[in-house]
Amino acid sequence: EVQLLESGGDLAQPGGSLRLSCAASGFTFSSYSMRWVRQAPGKGLEWVSSIGATGSSPNYGDSVKGRFTISRDNSKNTVYLQMNSLRAEDTAMYYCAKVGSGSHTESWGQGTLVSVSS
Amino acid sequence: QPVLTQSSSASASLGSSVKLTCTLTSGHSGSIIAWHQQQAGKAPRYLMKLEGGESYSKGSGVPDRFSGSSSGADRYLTISNLQSEDEADYYCETWDRNTRVFGGGTKLTVL
Repeated sequence: EVQLLESGGDLAQPGGSLRLSCAASGFTFSSYSMRWVRQAPGKGLEWVSSIGATGSSPNYGDSVKGRFTISRDNSKNTVYLQMNSLRAEDTAMYYCAKVGSGSHTESWGQGTLVSVSS
Repeated sequence: QPVLTQSSSASASLGSSVKLTCTLTSGHSGSIIAWHQQQAGKAPRYLMKLEGGESYSKGSGVPDRFSGSSSGADRYLTISNLQSEDEADYYCETWDRNTRVFGGGTKLTVL
């Protein structure tokens, strides 16, 4: 069974930084792309970032480009999201997700909550 | 960049069927999409990938009551024999080379 366990969500100040982690199990982690998707309170889903199976081809949504960095450690079965220059509009539940063979989001974690406020 | 359009809400009676629509923008009418369900207070759940026509593949454990179909730029999620636990938000998702896009979601109410 695929399990994705996010951590690192917290209250941060505007301009601050946070690092989210997602520990994966139940599948061959190094064979799959991964992504982060967020959901602001009461709003819909927004793609944040994706990374290839080997750590290649990171890409980002326009709202986070230049501020967030996705990475992964295949030896630890973990994907990360480094979030810098945080803004109030980054407040959201952040979900880690496994990408299916057809590039769709195939499995979801339970999420970790990021709040940005002074 | 593709754009997905969904109705904001839908409702249907317990035991009946409902068909939710996700419309792709012009130029992306052949795109593959995925459907996700999000019950209140929970993480999203992957339901199926919809490739075109009547071809779809479902996620693990998704009941047979859920099916998908397509017509032109429209992608459908049909839920038969509606149950109370089907009350949820439903999102469609698509992608191109460098971006992923979600529709705005449809809130389904089971009456």
